[in-house]
Amino acid sequence: KNEVEQSPQNLTAQEGEFITINCSYSVGISALHWLQQHPGGGIVSLFMLSSGKKKHGRLIATINIQEKHSSLHITASHPRDSAVYICAPITGNQFYFGTGTSLTVIP
Amino acid sequence: DGGITQSPKYLFRKEGQNVTLSCEQNLNHDAMYWYRQDPGQGLRLIYYSQIVNDFQKGDIAEGYSVSREKKESFPLTVTSAQKNPTAFYLCASSIGPGETQYFGPGTRLLVL
Repeated sequence: KNEVEQSPQNLTAQEGEFITINCSYSVGISALHWLQQHPGGGIVSLFMLSSGKKKHGRLIATINIQEKHSSLHITASHPRDSAVYICAPITGNQFYFGTGTSLTVIP
Repeated sequence: DGGITQSPKYLFRKEGQNVTLSCEQNLNHDAMYWYRQDPGQGLRLIYYSQIVNDFQKGDIAEGYSVSREKKESFPLTVTSAQKNPTAFYLCASSIGPGETQYFGPGTRLLVL
């Protein structure tokens, strides 16, 4: 049983496109973490949010706690955005990790 | 510079050997975590520690051991009891449980 489902699993976009990655979860959560994993394996925290919307540069994350759904948007995508994006809902002190969405942005 | 470091970047192990992966942080974080990542799977929690001298098993602790003698350090030993140790291992830390986690660069372990 998967507590976290991400879609799509793989995504290819042309540079400049608007990108949306979706995350649905089945557990009750206190917050949700969006992570970015680079091709070399390193992971960077993008957002931690528990309600509404957060924006950082070209990245926007939204969450609907009632619908158990979060989205990560990338505006004006660039080849350097190519990475795996991982959704991680949090219950208390436990993180549940999705399998990630692999994004490739083509110049 | 504050951060979290892991060493080595690549590690080769012969069957039957124990190996220890290093994780150090200078962020003054109380909580530290070890995860394993396999292709096509999400991160899985091996062990975590919320405070010095205390640690708890995660979802896949069998074949692994840890220690937390210092706040800055949380080494992971992969023992010979771990039958399928080839994976990418990630260490993370956070101010406290449920807070934003900061990840190290990872160690790739390969069994020869």
